[in-house]
Amino acid sequence: DAGVIQSPRHEVTEMGQEVTLRCKPISGHNSLFWYRQTMMRGLELLIYFNNNVPIDDSGMPEDRFSAKMPNASFSTLKIQPSEPRDSAVYFCASSLAWTEETQYFGPGTRLLVL
Amino acid sequence: TQLLEQSPQFLSIQEGENLTVYCNSSSVFSSLQWYRQEPGEGPVLLVTVVTGGEVKKLKRLTFQFGDARKDSSLHITAAQPGDTGLYLCAGQTGANNLFFGTGTRLTVIP
Repeated sequence: DAGVIQSPRHEVTEMGQEVTLRCKPISGHNSLFWYRQTMMRGLELLIYFNNNVPIDDSGMPEDRFSAKMPNASFSTLKIQPSEPRDSAVYFCASSLAWTEETQYFGPGTRLLVL
Repeated sequence: TQLLEQSPQFLSIQEGENLTVYCNSSSVFSSLQWYRQEPGEGPVLLVTVVTGGEVKKLKRLTFQFGDARKDSSLHITAAQPGDTGLYLCAGQTGANNLFFGTGTRLTVIP
């Protein structure tokens, strides 16, 4: 079975550009999570969805960040405009249900903003 | 914000040695999870502990949840190079909010 799929795996862009990260959760999973990992701050939850509805976006750092989940098999995390401090590895994870303990992580997107 | 401190931050040991990694917080968690993350990949769940004082074993790995459900430890017996990776603890409070620890980067030298 395919796990969580993220694209692109690597992204290099210039400051001020729009960046869109994509995630396909495991089929049948109803909850989806976006995380950011940096050396300084570790792994941080940005936002999570349950049945395509955003439940908690308190971790989204600024209005430059937005996330959508138009259907059960696709989500995007957009940064506009991007800044060098947004450089990090962004992970998407999914779980069967909102209260399900086990989250399955994708391989991540490594973002570098110059 | 529930802060989870892990120690040590870095650990380099010889193959065959034993080690313990600690995860401490001032917050109480409904459950605590341990993950291992390898370079270029996402974290992979190793175990979930739920009950205060609970001990779980996964081959050479032993996980313990503190009695007060504020801390946890991971003990590895006879470490092998394949154990190399970033070990993360994560505490869960209600719903599905996971708060990740600062991580312990383990290197096992053959």
